[in-house]
Amino acid sequence: EAGVTQSPTHLIKTRGQQATLRCSPISGHTSVYWYQQALGLGLQFLLWYDEGEERNRGNFPPRFSGRQFPNYSSELNVNALELEDSALYLCASSLDSGYSNQPQHFGDGTRLSIL
Amino acid sequence: GNSVTQMEGPVTLSEEAFLTINCTYTATGYPSLFWYVQYPGEGLQLLLKATKADDKGSNKGFEATYRKETTSFHLEKGSVQVSDSAVYFCALSGGSGNTPLVFGKGTRLSVIA
Repeated sequence: EAGVTQSPTHLIKTRGQQATLRCSPISGHTSVYWYQQALGLGLQFLLWYDEGEERNRGNFPPRFSGRQFPNYSSELNVNALELEDSALYLCASSLDSGYSNQPQHFGDGTRLSIL
Repeated sequence: GNSVTQMEGPVTLSEEAFLTINCTYTATGYPSLFWYVQYPGEGLQLLLKATKADDKGSNKGFEATYRKETTSFHLEKGSVQVSDSAVYFCALSGGSGNTPLVFGKGTRLSVIA
């Protein structure tokens, strides 16, 4: 069974640019979560999508947005990039979000570097 | 809101030593609890989980017991190996409804031969 896949592995941008990160969940998983892992800040929840809808978002500005496609894959878009956006962005997927004990399975992440 | 507190690292142990990484949580309702491990340059891997009080999660020699009375989920392993060197994250989900994971800050473990 293929795991969660993320692309690209690395992304280098400059301040003010826009970045798009992609995630394909495990087959059969309908929920996709995005997390930011910035140096010294730990893992912070960004966005949660389920069945194509945004279910919840973390404490991040509106320039962080995303969507989930009919095949349950997802995009994370970050506009007007700032130096502090440099981080590892992790995507996770899980089965039906109706049960809070469904574990999340993570991809290897996209490392976004802002110059 | 929900929160997780885990012991600060780094932790350095000799091979075959006993490992404990403390984790306590604050949550409403009845959360599910998880330990994830992150090896260098990789994403997070689910190590073990427990979904209700007194459940014991176990995997690869690691164990953790969901203690509601002390709101704790400490990770233990009887004999660590060099290959266990990684960052370990305690996390919770759920409680008073479905929520994304809330993570502790992570504990870096280095095991030396």
